[in-house]
Amino acid sequence: DAGVIQSPRHEVTEMGQEVTLRCKPISGHDYLFWYRQTMMQGLELLVYFNNKAVMDDSGMPKDRFSAKMPNASFSTLKIQPSEPRDSAVYFCASSLAGGSSYEQYFGPGTRLTVT
Amino acid sequence: RKEVEQDPGPFNVPEGATVAFNCTYSNSASQSFFWYRQDCRKEPKLLMSVYSSGNEDGRFTAQLNRASQYISLLIRDSKLSDSATYLCVVNSASGGSYIPTFGRGTSLIVHP
Repeated sequence: DAGVIQSPRHEVTEMGQEVTLRCKPISGHDYLFWYRQTMMQGLELLVYFNNKAVMDDSGMPKDRFSAKMPNASFSTLKIQPSEPRDSAVYFCASSLAGGSSYEQYFGPGTRLTVT
Repeated sequence: RKEVEQDPGPFNVPEGATVAFNCTYSNSASQSFFWYRQDCRKEPKLLMSVYSSGNEDGRFTAQLNRASQYISLLIRDSKLSDSATYLCVVNSASGGSYIPTFGRGTSLIVHP
């Protein structure tokens, strides 16, 4: 299996621009997670999907962030307009749900720099 | 208070040493627990699940103490390659599903 695929791997943009991050989960996984990691805050859960439906987006700043999962093999995280404080590594992860546990598999991340 | 707390370290130990990390959680309804390892500028990778009875995988032992609400990770005979950040993850039930919460991580440096 190819694992979780994210693109782009690096993104440098100017404040005010729109940024779109992409994720392809592991085939057959029904959960998909978007995280943001910074030195200050650590790994923060932004939003997650179960079978393409948003289950929880309480960690996502909704004024500028939006997440979609139009099909089981693709998700996007969009930031519009971007701000310097959005600079971070954004990880996508997927998992299979089984009982009360699910092990997450992470993509390599997108390193976003907003100048 | 954060839901999941870890000592950030760094823990600086010589090769061959035994080192232990703890992770405390505040939600008593938490259901499942994991340890992840994250190398510098890489993604987190699953190290091991933590079972109620405790479990071992080679040099690594994980324990769960529900009464005191903490999990632990013990690494025996440390190797240079064990140098990394170790993240604990706690899954808590939420509306028919589960929400994972990561700790900030504990940094381990193993030196010759």
